Amino acid sequence: QSVLTQPPSVSGAPGQRVTISCTGSSSNIGAGYDAHWYQQLPGTAPKLLIYGNINRPSGVPDRFSGSKSGTSASLAITGLQAEDEADYYCQSYDSRLSAYVFGTGTQVTVL
Amino acid sequence: QVHLVESGGTLVKPGGSLRLSCAASGFTFSDYHMTWIRQAPGKGLEWVSYITTSGSTTHYADSVKGRFTISRDNARNSLYLQMNSLRAEDTAVYYCARTGEAVANYWGQGTLVTVSS
Repeated sequence: QSVLTQPPSVSGAPGQRVTISCTGSSSNIGAGYDAHWYQQLPGTAPKLLIYGNINRPSGVPDRFSGSKSGTSASLAITGLQAEDEADYYCQSYDSRLSAYVFGTGTQVTVL
Repeated sequence: QVHLVESGGTLVKPGGSLRLSCAASGFTFSDYHMTWIRQAPGKGLEWVSYITTSGSTTHYADSVKGRFTISRDNARNSLYLQMNSLRAEDTAVYYCARTGEAVANYWGQGTLVTVSS
């Protein structure tokens, strides 16, 4: 059972903006540990999308942005494209568990 | 560019053992911490084990503690995961990942481990 909770699915039409929440607690995101986001396209390995809450690795389009507030983090995708259909996972560190933890994952569907 | 290739995944019986390998290239392997992450079929991601650059410090998920051992050979640019007392719930694709500040920067393509009689 993950300590980081994400909505199971979100959807949007091409060009729209969607957001994915990652709800944690005072022992992980709320304790100041960074949130990171990964994108997993169908049948492929996950890829780092956002690190350190807000930073994009080289090559990641600026349509993807991250934010953090309190015990939660969010990933926003603006100008949704068909190629953004994938599973998205948040990740952080939990001091109570002394472990790195992933979110439950969110499937993004482009209508 | 960074390249990570896992190998060693196969079908193994419950209670059996298996050793996974991860060959790294395209970067100075000894400069980076490394991690194993797994994904059960149709499920989410689980951080399995972590090792520091020299191998002096390791961490394990509670689900594998005492059964799995992570190690590395910096001379061979290789990461390993020795898995003993395997259970059905260990069935998953296992990914190795180069790790930065508690983040998996680069991932391999994964290797499938199936534990079944």
